[in-house]
Amino acid sequence: GAVVSQHPSRVICKSGTSVKIECRSLDFQATTMFWYRQFPKQSLMLMATSNEGSKATYEQGVEKDKFLINHASLTLSTLTVTSAHPEDSSFYICSAPQRVNSGNTIYFGEGSWLTVV
Amino acid sequence: GESVGLHLPTLSVQEGDNSIINCAYSNSASDYFIWYKQESGKGPQFIIDIRSNMDKRQGQRVTVLLNKTVKHLSLQIAATQPGDSAVYFCAERAWSGYSTLTFGKGTMLLVSP
Repeated sequence: GAVVSQHPSRVICKSGTSVKIECRSLDFQATTMFWYRQFPKQSLMLMATSNEGSKATYEQGVEKDKFLINHASLTLSTLTVTSAHPEDSSFYICSAPQRVNSGNTIYFGEGSWLTVV
Repeated sequence: GESVGLHLPTLSVQEGDNSIINCAYSNSASDYFIWYKQESGKGPQFIIDIRSNMDKRQGQRVTVLLNKTVKHLSLQIAATQPGDSAVYFCAERAWSGYSTLTFGKGTMLLVSP
């Protein structure tokens, strides 16, 4: 079964509104989670690293005031797309590393489709 | 070479064939590599991983080969099945303490019955 859960899986919002996407690690704690964005037929692009108890680290070119990240607990990170525009429509995916004996295994959520109309 | 943007490289095979998907990476400091399978509309699914101190690792029906000399990674799928049809991504990590992954462009595998 899934070890990382995202919600909602699909969301449609109006231009100018904000939408929140949740990422939860199931049965393990994740002090770090990652948020990616993926356009159709393209690869995953890292947007930011979410850190529990501190500010997120954003990749170059990603607007931190537009994509708000809050790592509220050791099992939950949220991505809020503020003042959404149609060009923000995309597939957003989170991941979390789960520590195992030999290191970390990195699991991904099922993704969240955002459509801004 | 691979195209960027709207067209993924595509590998078409017949059911039962062996498939080989290739990936070139650029960071010689990368110490950990993962292959993911992504079906349409879903998140990436872990397939197999390999650390830089190894050159081969086998799983169930899958084998990953790592050639650090030429910075090349491959995924071999034995007896390919229609359910294997998906986009396959390689990912590399240069250890920073945060498990940040850099993804390759992806290859679409199409398996015909």
